[in-house]
Amino acid sequence: GAVVSQHPSWVICKSGTSVKIECRSLDFQATTMFWYRQFPKQSLMLMATSNEGSKATYEQGVEKDKFLINHASLTLSTLTVTSAHPEDSSFYICSARDWQGTTEAFFGQGTRLTVV
Amino acid sequence: DAKTTQPPSMDCAEGRAANLPCNHSTISGNEYVYWYRQIHSQGPQYIIHGLKNNETNEMASLIITEDRKSSTLILPHATLRDTAVYYCIVRGGYGGSQGNLIFGKGTKLSVKP
Repeated sequence: GAVVSQHPSWVICKSGTSVKIECRSLDFQATTMFWYRQFPKQSLMLMATSNEGSKATYEQGVEKDKFLINHASLTLSTLTVTSAHPEDSSFYICSARDWQGTTEAFFGQGTRLTVV
Repeated sequence: DAKTTQPPSMDCAEGRAANLPCNHSTISGNEYVYWYRQIHSQGPQYIIHGLKNNETNEMASLIITEDRKSSTLILPHATLRDTAVYYCIVRGGYGGSQGNLIFGKGTKLSVKP
């Protein structure tokens, strides 16, 4: 299957700082990328959907000014958690899909964010 | 909300077939059934998907009932490395935000030696 790479795998940051997470599709062009968040022992919750070159669509209850998403190219999307707080500590996962080639989405390995 | 219902947990003996059921009684005609699994602290892994015919690949088989209201994922010879949470997801087969994956709680499969 296609490869989606997410970086970093884990990050620890101080409260009030910002953290950027990258999601890259390595062997296909991802016209659509999705960002999820997963708290311990819970399922994945969709945060936002981004299409290359346009603004992201956020799910209800997700603050767009806090979770900045940029999808400037067909192989890269970034999620920036601004002014992070301990309650933002979570497992963040991206997925990408190639509209032309396949209908299944492939996932990155996830980023464990810990805000102290 | 997720459109599927799965048992919260199942056990399977190593080497035996694991049959994971999923109910999706409200599935519409253009929606596919997808299966993903998530091993602890990793991103979900795509397994298989289908529309109405049974499907098989190197990982698993997917059996969809004729009325499409339920399906079963079959791992023919489960190994310890198949221990994971398995998600059954119903989704339209088109692109854009309408094709996003909504995860339910899944089934935690424990393969035991």
